[in-house]
Amino acid sequence: SQKIEQNSEALNIQEGKTATLTCNYTNYSPAYLQWYRQDPGRGPVFLLLIRENEKEKRKERLKVTFDTTLKQSLFHITASQPADSATYLCALDEAGGFKTIFGAGTRLFVKA
Amino acid sequence: DTEVTQTPKHLVMGMTNKKSLKCEQHMGHRAMYWYKQKAKKPPELMFVYSYEKLSINESVPSRFSPECPNSSLLNLHLHALQPEDSALYLCASSPTGVGEETQYFGPGTRLLVL
Repeated sequence: SQKIEQNSEALNIQEGKTATLTCNYTNYSPAYLQWYRQDPGRGPVFLLLIRENEKEKRKERLKVTFDTTLKQSLFHITASQPADSATYLCALDEAGGFKTIFGAGTRLFVKA
Repeated sequence: DTEVTQTPKHLVMGMTNKKSLKCEQHMGHRAMYWYKQKAKKPPELMFVYSYEKLSINESVPSRFSPECPNSSLLNLHLHALQPEDSALYLCASSPTGVGEETQYFGPGTRLLVL
């Protein structure tokens, strides 16, 4: 069956360090992958989209990589801040883009 | 306006009640979605409307009844729910629902079924 795996353990890092979150998937061949941020009790907010022919994409302090051979995406936040504390979800589309499947997310805590 | 609004923010209902969740967007999007999210779990797709027609129903029990009165509005009618239906219900929209699109989510309705 199709599956998306993200670290279920929370990630605790010190302010100013780089946070790296992992998304692994099986039995998908996605044309693109997305990362969302979700704060407690709120809806997810889109951050970045990376296509299968893109190795890396950046937006301000965020960087995403996409390795279709390893079936893995890495999400990096450089110079992390306490305000970056949230749950980060990766998402893939199936059925030709009609249906988005989300990973369970990784909770990030950035300590001042 | 890039906002999706949802009402109410919180809802407590008994198992015999009938209630409705509402969602609205004014971004001109033609695809709208309902998701259910339990604590520490990913959002799970329930329904997709594309151009006001139901295009995906993820085998959701009939006690949940979606309605799309027009391209800006999406309702979820609730009847005879069970305590296990307690969750955060999220509405989202996207331009067409096809291909490489980002979804815009509302803040959700926190539902508690007693």
